[in-house]
Amino acid sequence: NAGVTQTPKFQVLKTGQSMTLQCAQDMNHNSMYWYRQDPGMGLRLIYYSASEGTTDKGEVPNGYNVSRLNKREFSLRLESAAPSQTSVYFCASSEGTGGWGEKLFFGSGTQLSVL
Amino acid sequence: QQQVKQSPQSLIVQKGGISIINCAYENTAFDYFPWYQQFPGKGPALLIAIRPDVSEKKEGRFTISFNKSAKQFSLHIMDSQPGDSATYFCAANTINTGKLIFGQGTTLQVKP
Repeated sequence: NAGVTQTPKFQVLKTGQSMTLQCAQDMNHNSMYWYRQDPGMGLRLIYYSASEGTTDKGEVPNGYNVSRLNKREFSLRLESAAPSQTSVYFCASSEGTGGWGEKLFFGSGTQLSVL
Repeated sequence: QQQVKQSPQSLIVQKGGISIINCAYENTAFDYFPWYQQFPGKGPALLIAIRPDVSEKKEGRFTISFNKSAKQFSLHIMDSQPGDSATYFCAANTINTGKLIFGQGTTLQVKP
């Protein structure tokens, strides 16, 4: 089983460029999440989707947009990249609709550098 | 502001020793407290979790201790092994929400 697959694994952007991070899961999970990981800050939730067709803001949504394309796929878009968005981005999924006590399954991350 | 505060940032323990990582929270609505383990180049994976109606949960060498009145919880790794070297995150969320909030992370190194 592939689990949660993220593409690309590495990306370098110039300030102002746009890009989309792709995420797909093959576990038939309902909920999907995007986190960013920064040294000393831990993992911070950007957006999440409790079901196909719904999205909600997390702790740090500014500068990002998301699309829940279908049950399998959840993409994260940076419209105009800034150096502050240099980070490691993780996609995750969980079986339920984002409720209490759910186990998150994470992808292996995308390392993004914005110059 | 960080809703879940984790310490220490890094920890070095000798093989066979006890590793202790602490977390504190302010939001009394939090009612689920998992710990995630992350190896270099990998995404985090659930290690162990506790609900606030119990004070301790043990799974093998890993134990969560929970102090509801102090709004603190901790992870104890007994008989620490070099294979336990990883980054550990505490987290918390509330019922009926998908917003799992993580602490800052602790990088653990277990020396042989």
